[in-house]
Amino acid sequence: SQQGEEDPQALSIQEGENATMNCSYKTSINNLQWYRQNSGRGLVHLILIRSNEREKHSGRLRVTLDTSKKSSSLLITASRAADTASYFCATASGNTGKLIFGQGTTLQVKP
Amino acid sequence: DTGVSQDPRHKITKRGQNVTFRCDPISEHNRLYWYRQTLGQGPEFLTYFQNEAQLEKSRLLSDRFSAERPKGSFSTLEIQRTEQGDSAMYLCASSLVAGPRYSNQPQHFGDGTRLSIL
Repeated sequence: SQQGEEDPQALSIQEGENATMNCSYKTSINNLQWYRQNSGRGLVHLILIRSNEREKHSGRLRVTLDTSKKSSSLLITASRAADTASYFCATASGNTGKLIFGQGTTLQVKP
Repeated sequence: DTGVSQDPRHKITKRGQNVTFRCDPISEHNRLYWYRQTLGQGPEFLTYFQNEAQLEKSRLLSDRFSAERPKGSFSTLEIQRTEQGDSAMYLCASSLVAGPRYSNQPQHFGDGTRLSIL
C-alpha cells in the first residue's frame, strides 16, 4: 500500500522556471527520501532528509520536511529539459529500511 | 562502483510459466530489497535481505513468489505459475547498513526487469 499522496500528479513548466512537488505521509518516519525515475529506468536517489531535519539542499534541489503536518516538498530551481521525469517521495520507518513510496509527480520541462 | 544490475531487462512469457530474475547489488552492500512497480504507480515493497537472511516479506508476496540470496551477494526472485496480474516492473535496490539497527542510508536501484504476461 502507498504511504501517502503526492501533489500535483502532473506538472508542466517552461525551462528556467521552478518546480515544486509536495508529498504527504501517514505514519511516523526515520527519514524521507526523494527519487527521480526516467521512463523505463530505475530510480535515482536525489536527497534524504532525516526526521530531525527541517530543510536540506543539494545543488538545485531544496527539500523541506514538516513532521507535525507529515508533509514534505521538493523544489527544483531553474529547471532544465533534462529534469523531465517522474519524482517520488518515499518514507522509511523502523529498523527495516524498507521504503514506502507515494504515487509520484510527473514533471515535464519544455525547452 | 558498477551499480546495481538486474537481468533480464525484459521478460515476456505465457501465463502459467515460471520466471526467475537476478539482481547483483553493489558489492559491499549488505541489504538488498525487491520492489514491484505497476504503470503509473510508485514502487511497492516485496521483501528484503540483510546479508543472506530474508527478514521481511510483504503480503503482496504470495506463495507463488520466492526470493533467495544464498551467499549474501546476488539475489534471485522466482515467480511460479505466472498470472496476468504479475505483469509489472520488478526493481532491486541495495544499501549499506553499518549495524543491526537501521541507519539513514539511501537505496541504490537497478533499472529493473519488466515482466509481461501474455
